[in-house]
Amino acid sequence: GIQVEQSPPDLILQEGANSTLRCNFSDSVNNLQWFHQNPWGQLINLFYIPSGTKQNGRLSATTVATERYSLLYISSSQTTDSGVYFCAVPQGGSEKLVFGKGTKLTVNP
Amino acid sequence: DSGVTQTPKHLITATGQRVTLRCSPRSGDLSVYWYQQSLDQGLQFLIQYYNGEERAKGNILERFSAQQFPDLHSELNLSSLELGDSALYFCASSQTPGLGNTIYFGEGSWLTVV
Repeated sequence: GIQVEQSPPDLILQEGANSTLRCNFSDSVNNLQWFHQNPWGQLINLFYIPSGTKQNGRLSATTVATERYSLLYISSSQTTDSGVYFCAVPQGGSEKLVFGKGTKLTVNP
Repeated sequence: DSGVTQTPKHLITATGQRVTLRCSPRSGDLSVYWYQQSLDQGLQFLIQYYNGEERAKGNILERFSAQQFPDLHSELNLSSLELGDSALYFCASSQTPGLGNTIYFGEGSWLTVV
């Protein structure tokens, strides 16, 4: 099945810093989602981004489907950005999402 | 708030017992998914229903079963519980099955088996 790798596994930042999280996937996809899991366990959709670039406030994401990767940019990070960021892609031609292991982000004040 | 509602939020039960987790999808969503998140396995797809019918199955144990009712809410039944079943169980929904749909997750049900 499709493999999803995220890097880095852990990231510690000072408030105000910028960061880039990466998601590589082993097969072509036409659906990719980024999620943020907050410290209370809630999984929040950030982006649905099968290709191209999207922006939402301080967050933006770019997917280069032909090269099988996606990037999540966080600018001017805040302590509330802490948590685990997951990317997920569908398994084959199904709607089953396969998740990466996530990037754990800690933003210190 | 994603619009997906899960109950209960927390549950502690003993080994060998049976529990039922409930999910109400977002208004208008016909497809419901169940995922399990554990420390060792990460987030794993269990099962998907669309408009009352099972559509896809993942790594769901035989001790687990699910269904989607005519009002589109879904239940995940976990029986003969083992310590290793302790996990965060998510329900998610989308409008229709299809690769172009965003999937929205509920807040999860924390299950602890003691």
